[in-house]
Amino acid sequence: GEEVAQTPKHLVRGEGQKAKLYCAPIKGHSYVFWYQQVLKNEFKFLISFQNENVFDETGMPKERFSAKCLPNSPCSLEIQATKLEDSAVYFCASSPGRESPLHFGNGTRLTVT
Amino acid sequence: GENVEQHPSTLSVQEGDSAVIKCTYSDSASNYFPWYKQELGKGPQLIIDIRSNVGEKKDQRIAVTLNKTAKHFSLHITETQPEDSAVYFCAASIAGNQFYFGTGTSLTVIP
Repeated sequence: GEEVAQTPKHLVRGEGQKAKLYCAPIKGHSYVFWYQQVLKNEFKFLISFQNENVFDETGMPKERFSAKCLPNSPCSLEIQATKLEDSAVYFCASSPGRESPLHFGNGTRLTVT
Repeated sequence: GENVEQHPSTLSVQEGDSAVIKCTYSDSASNYFPWYKQELGKGPQLIIDIRSNVGEKKDQRIAVTLNKTAKHFSLHITETQPEDSAVYFCAASIAGNQFYFGTGTSLTVIP
């Protein structure tokens, strides 16, 4: 598609529950980035992929967060045992190559209660 | 790692006036600088970008300038319109490996 598609739009989880977010990048884009936006404005980098391979995972809290980009499937970001501080909007972005602009989806708002 | 600072955090202008948003970066290896506009409930949208081999770029009412020596870059919006009201983010990237974002400027254009 011509847009980055993120699902679901909203997700509510009780503390300790699992959350799984999905992202379909723009067709032909080989890079996928995940960002967490907290306090409305701050973007925290989580992880990036080049096709199905992890490109950079320096931002991932590894004990509870995991992500995958498998061929012919949407990419996913999974949070095990969610905490209150995981409440945020999670954005996925794709790009056709390095040094190319990021194209963002409209985000998934995760609320942990 | 890279640190991007953005000012001001809020900006109000009268319709028709110009708006300027400034960003500084810390890593001289950064070579790509996009600007994004984020409207409420939506993801950031690219509005203009500049690479380190260029000092200025213009697209209709929007322009970006880059000063590599001082490590700062600015967004200029002329003849502002109410639909320009949004949050604007600058970003810096080193060869596209990772994008570092500023903390955003909430622009309000008063009709």
